[in-house]
Amino acid sequence: DIQMTQSPSSLSASVGDRVTITCRASQGIRNDLGWYQQKPGKAPKRLIYAASNLQSGVPSRFSGSGSGTEFTLTISSLQPEDFATYYCLQHNSYPWTFGQGTKVEIK
Amino acid sequence: QVQLVQCGAEVKKPGASVKVSCKASGYTFTSYYIHWVRQAPGQGLEWMGIINPSDGSTTYAQKFQGRVTMTRDTSTSTVYMELSSLRSEDTAVYYCARWFSGGKYYFDYWGQGTLVTVSS
Repeated sequence: DIQMTQSPSSLSASVGDRVTITCRASQGIRNDLGWYQQKPGKAPKRLIYAASNLQSGVPSRFSGSGSGTEFTLTISSLQPEDFATYYCLQHNSYPWTFGQGTKVEIK
Repeated sequence: QVQLVQCGAEVKKPGASVKVSCKASGYTFTSYYIHWVRQAPGQGLEWMGIINPSDGSTTYAQKFQGRVTMTRDTSTSTVYMELSSLRSEDTAVYYCARWFSGGKYYFDYWGQGTLVTVSS
């Protein structure tokens, strides 16, 4: 199975801060990776597909990069509505696996 | 509009089985794969498996092999996830999610989630 190691598990940041979240795959997954945002009590929402492509309707302050085994999600200027938990998902091979999640909290 | 509507919450005893439904509407049911993802209280997301509504073929995570069965009913555009031999660790919210694969690949629609509580 491909392990997705996501870091940090949580972070505290202020509105306007730049935030970076990393996912590392235990083996190469090309760019078969997406990023999802989840708020309490809600289903996840898609943000990024194919590692670096912004989903339609997602603010441009979100960006993704990486290929192979190292991936990052960056929020260039954190907004109040961005406080949530973020997950990466690899869909290169079964079983698909999520990162452990990064909870972004208000400082 | 596309919707995935799941059944209501379930409470089961250890050792029992649960069958969660996910009714699709607003699109051609057989054209999109459906996945099941679960989330234990306060924990992360866990992929369980996938079903192709067109032919009913499935792939399950090894962790659930032998305990999970995913099926579909094309006459009602509904997919089902049955989990047997329930234990307390199976207490979780279970989500169905549609996988978009038209040149881009992602979960585009999710059900609202079904809380399954396993307790004696």
